[in-house]
Amino acid sequence: AQTVTQSQPEMSVQEAETVTLSCTYDTSENNYYLFWYKQPPSRQMILVIRQEAYKQQNATENRFSVNFQKAAKSFSLKISDSQLGDTAMYFCAFDWGGSNYKLTFGKGTLLTVNP
Amino acid sequence: NAGVMQNPRHLVRRRGQEARLRCSPMKGHSHVYWYRQLPEEGLKFMVYLQKENIIDESGMPKERFSAEFPKEGPSILRIQQVVRGDSAAYFCASSPPAGNEQFFGPGTRLTVL
Repeated sequence: AQTVTQSQPEMSVQEAETVTLSCTYDTSENNYYLFWYKQPPSRQMILVIRQEAYKQQNATENRFSVNFQKAAKSFSLKISDSQLGDTAMYFCAFDWGGSNYKLTFGKGTLLTVNP
Repeated sequence: NAGVMQNPRHLVRRRGQEARLRCSPMKGHSHVYWYRQLPEEGLKFMVYLQKENIIDESGMPKERFSAEFPKEGPSILRIQQVVRGDSAAYFCASSPPAGNEQFFGPGTRLTVL
């Protein structure tokens, strides 16, 4: 069974600084997808970034980038130039390429950006 | 293009009543997924449906829970005889036939008194 672990229940960062959220996963599969979702106080789930396991290049989306270490089964999210609107729960999620639909989520990291 | 719609946003039921949660997928999306989020937890997969078909319901509790996605109209998650442990946020997501990115709705927060 696939599992996703986020070891940091809470984190805080000063506005404009950089923060990294950790995520590790366990799978025996070779082809899969990894995601970071953001859940602000409105509770809407918003896709932040995705990574295909077969791609060696780390995904980036504006201020958000990942450090994908396939051998270590690690998938961390780096947020640069943090903004107050980044305050939210962040969930790491795994999608086994074979199922293509059954997302497995970690328990989340609550990120607070302080002014 | 409107996003995934869920209603109601908040639902309060007393123990033993029925809860019906509705989800309208994004236009052009024929795949619907339901997830449950208990307090302090990540989302847990419940069921995956296509029009008129349940593809995978391995995450659904064996009793009291059912889901459907009819040919016309929204997908419905139905919980019969609710208990306090059913209190949670229920999220619906949809995707197009050939894609694996799931777009989430705003969720329905169910409170069982």
